[in-house]
Amino acid sequence: DTGVSQDPRHKITKRGQNVTFRCDPISEHNRLYWYRQTLGQGPEFLTYFQNEAQLEKSRLLSDRFSAERPKGSFSTLEIQRTEQGDSAMYLCASSLVAGLAGGGSTGDTQYFGPGTRLTVL
Amino acid sequence: AQRVTQPEKLLSVFKGAPVELKCNYSYSGSPELFWYVQYSRQRLQLLLRHISRESIKGFTADLNKGETSFHLKKPFAQEEDSAMYYCALSGWGGAQKLVFGQGTRLTINP
Repeated sequence: DTGVSQDPRHKITKRGQNVTFRCDPISEHNRLYWYRQTLGQGPEFLTYFQNEAQLEKSRLLSDRFSAERPKGSFSTLEIQRTEQGDSAMYLCASSLVAGLAGGGSTGDTQYFGPGTRLTVL
Repeated sequence: AQRVTQPEKLLSVFKGAPVELKCNYSYSGSPELFWYVQYSRQRLQLLLRHISRESIKGFTADLNKGETSFHLKKPFAQEEDSAMYYCALSGWGGAQKLVFGQGTRLTINP
């Protein structure tokens, strides 16, 4: 399977614990996005990377959340001191965006992973 | 503000009947509009995007800038169309982060 993969698929933790999720994008995709989806809602943007650079973070991303993409390949999303409100599905997506010189770009399809379902007890 | 509204959380139609899933958006500028679909126990996947003007699995969607709408239509529903459908938008250039609606669960009854 050469699609986007996420690990773990499910995580149950106690309030106050730290958790880390991993996303492996499609090979050679230069953009990687994190979204969060709560029950009955559509996915909400959290942050995205262009290669290894984190270029935008949503206001939804509190200081307890940190994301990295150290070598421009896989990414990790860490949540510190988890709260019950963090319970959600965390989705990763990747895309290949062309024509980035000068800031303009042509977007390409975002391919989503299966998600990591987090339950905070 | 960027916003996508899908007014129907649930939609149920009979097999063979026409289907229309509504989507309205708010965006200052020229957005790109998408429909994503999630079948049972599968990941979210792109169904179609307005710039491609394709018909995928019999579905079409026309961008109406005057009404700021991007409704998804299919003339004859099939049971395999039962799924969760999300309308989404992104801006041209820049991050292309997606802004999603709440989704519509479509059920096709036999």
